[in-house]
Amino acid sequence: DAGITQSPRYKITETGRQVTLMCHQTWSHSYMFWYRQDLGHGLRLIYYSAAADITDKGEVPDGYVVSRSKTENFPLTLESATRSQTSVYFCASIDPIDTEAFFGQGTRLTVV
Amino acid sequence: AQSVTQLGSHVSVSEGALVLLRCNYSSSVPPYLFWYVQYPNQGLQLLLKYTTGATLVKGINGFEAEFKKSETSFHLTKPSAHMSDAAEYFCAVRPGGATNKLIFGTGTLLAVQP
Repeated sequence: DAGITQSPRYKITETGRQVTLMCHQTWSHSYMFWYRQDLGHGLRLIYYSAAADITDKGEVPDGYVVSRSKTENFPLTLESATRSQTSVYFCASIDPIDTEAFFGQGTRLTVV
Repeated sequence: AQSVTQLGSHVSVSEGALVLLRCNYSSSVPPYLFWYVQYPNQGLQLLLKYTTGATLVKGINGFEAEFKKSETSFHLTKPSAHMSDAAEYFCAVRPGGATNKLIFGTGTLLAVQP
């Protein structure tokens, strides 16, 4: 199926564990993004990538690591999960010509 | 720095009434502007966007927005609310220039009363 998919949809992990959230898009869009959504804060940009092997920090990058070895994949890793990272995480891609951003369904992460 | 301000985290209207959701932005260069809608437990869906050209933009589900540069605003309106419009709405700005980042407001939760 064409689109952008995130996995898992739901995840519960313990404080201190490493966890990776996956994002895969089928359009070959060059730009991809990770946001977290928290009540009262809207969506805040964690990291983004302009192309394979090019990544940059967003507004709230601390505690997160990203990689982009292939255009279609953009995984987000929490190196040592903390309770403050309990959130809903959204991956998105943008076609720069069309300007529209397409979002995944989100991953609801709970850190206990 | 670019930013987006949505006035009113919660808005409640009666079915059939006008919907007005406010959005103001700051950007040092002409921006692209967007409204997204999020239904419960779903991702974000594009309602409409302004890039260049006509400042009154029409989107899906009867929504429209007007870009007013002098007021740095991009308010979202719909003449008559439906129950199905109940959702959270996000205004976003893509600053001009080379960056493709989208900066979001904090969202407005729209409730529609019967």
